[in-house]
Amino acid sequence: AQSVAQPEDQVNVAEGNPLTVKCTYSVSGNPYLFWYVQYPNRGLQFLLKYITGDNLVKGSYGFEAEFNKSQTSFHLKKPSALVSDSALYFCAVRVTNSGYSTLTFGKGTMLLVSP
Amino acid sequence: DTGVSQDPRHKITKRGQNVTFRCDPISEHNRLYWYRQTLGQGPEFLTYFQNEAQLEKSRLLSDRFSAERPKGSFSTLEIQRTEQGDSAMYLCASSPGPGLADPYEQYFGPGTRLTVT
Repeated sequence: AQSVAQPEDQVNVAEGNPLTVKCTYSVSGNPYLFWYVQYPNRGLQFLLKYITGDNLVKGSYGFEAEFNKSQTSFHLKKPSALVSDSALYFCAVRVTNSGYSTLTFGKGTMLLVSP
Repeated sequence: DTGVSQDPRHKITKRGQNVTFRCDPISEHNRLYWYRQTLGQGPEFLTYFQNEAQLEKSRLLSDRFSAERPKGSFSTLEIQRTEQGDSAMYLCASSPGPGLADPYEQYFGPGTRLTVT
């Protein structure tokens, strides 16, 4: 079965410092990987995706993610955190079944950026 | 606003009552998905529509749940005889259908938070 793991329930970082939110995956075939962010009482907002090509993917709000096939990881990164980045972050993998695709999500990582 | 919309945003109901939620996808999107998100968990897939056809249902979707997408536009999710375990955020997402450039990602609505007392 295809799955995503986010090993940290919470990540704490000071504003201005670099941040990393970890994600590992288990899929058969080529992985299509995504990061979404969720603010309180809001739906999920798409941040970035890896489909193919360059292992370093750049997305919205200055976020980027590095795809590492040998380590089956897709960690989310940002060089300089902002307090407004505090939110719940989800890693997801696209799962294709009989001609349709859904997303399988990790359980989420809460990012808290302190002033 | 041309994003995915959901109504209502919040619903409080008593155990045993029926509830219905509505989702309006992005207008040109043929694919529509329902997910359920409980506290401390990521969204879990419930069901999928391509146009008006419901092509897949998760085992999470018990026989108390039914979803429709008449005319391939908006969709409704009904829960009959609600139970406290149904309390969750119900998320709708849409994406472009076959024949259009597939960006792979899904676009989510704000969700409907259901509380069953």
